[in-house]
Amino acid sequence: DIQMTQSPSSLFASVGDRVTITCRASQSISIYLNWYQQKPGKAPKLLIYAASSLQSGVPSRFSGSGSGTDFTLTISSLQPEDFATYYCQQSYSPPQTFGQGTKLEIK
Amino acid sequence: QVQLVQSRAEVKKPGASVKVSCKASGYIFTSYGVNWVRQAPGQGLEWMAWISAYNGHTNYAQKFQGRVTMTTDTSTTTAYMELRSLRSDDTAIYYCARARFELRSYFDFWGQGTLVTVSS
Repeated sequence: DIQMTQSPSSLFASVGDRVTITCRASQSISIYLNWYQQKPGKAPKLLIYAASSLQSGVPSRFSGSGSGTDFTLTISSLQPEDFATYYCQQSYSPPQTFGQGTKLEIK
Repeated sequence: QVQLVQSRAEVKKPGASVKVSCKASGYIFTSYGVNWVRQAPGQGLEWMAWISAYNGHTNYAQKFQGRVTMTTDTSTTTAYMELRSLRSDDTAIYYCARARFELRSYFDFWGQGTLVTVSS
């Protein structure tokens, strides 16, 4: 199975900050990397697909980059509603695997 | 609008089975597949399986093979996930999620989740 490792596991930041979360795959997954946001008690929400494509309706302050094994999710200017847990997911080969999550908390 | 509406929470005893439903609406059901993902309390996301609503093709994570069955009913645009021989560590929220393809795709709409509690 392809292992997905996110860093950091938790992150404290303030409204207006620029934040970057990284995700590393244990082998090359080309661009088949997706990012999800999950708030407590809610289902995950798709933010970014295929490494850098912004899902419809998602604010443009979210962006993704990377290919191969190393990927990043960047939030350019944190808003109060962005405090949540973020997961990366590889869809390159089965079983599709998720990172362990990054919890973004208010400083 | 696209919606996936899941069945209610369940409480089961160890060794029992559970069947969770996922009613789809707002799109052509057979043009997509359905994934099942679970999340144990306080834990991350774990992919379980995929089923094509077009032809019923399935792909199960090895961890669940032999214990899980995914089906679809195109007449009611509903997907089902049945998990057998339940154990306490199967206690989790089970989500269905739509995807266009089995692989190299993404989960663009999710159900609200169904909590399955396994307890004696």
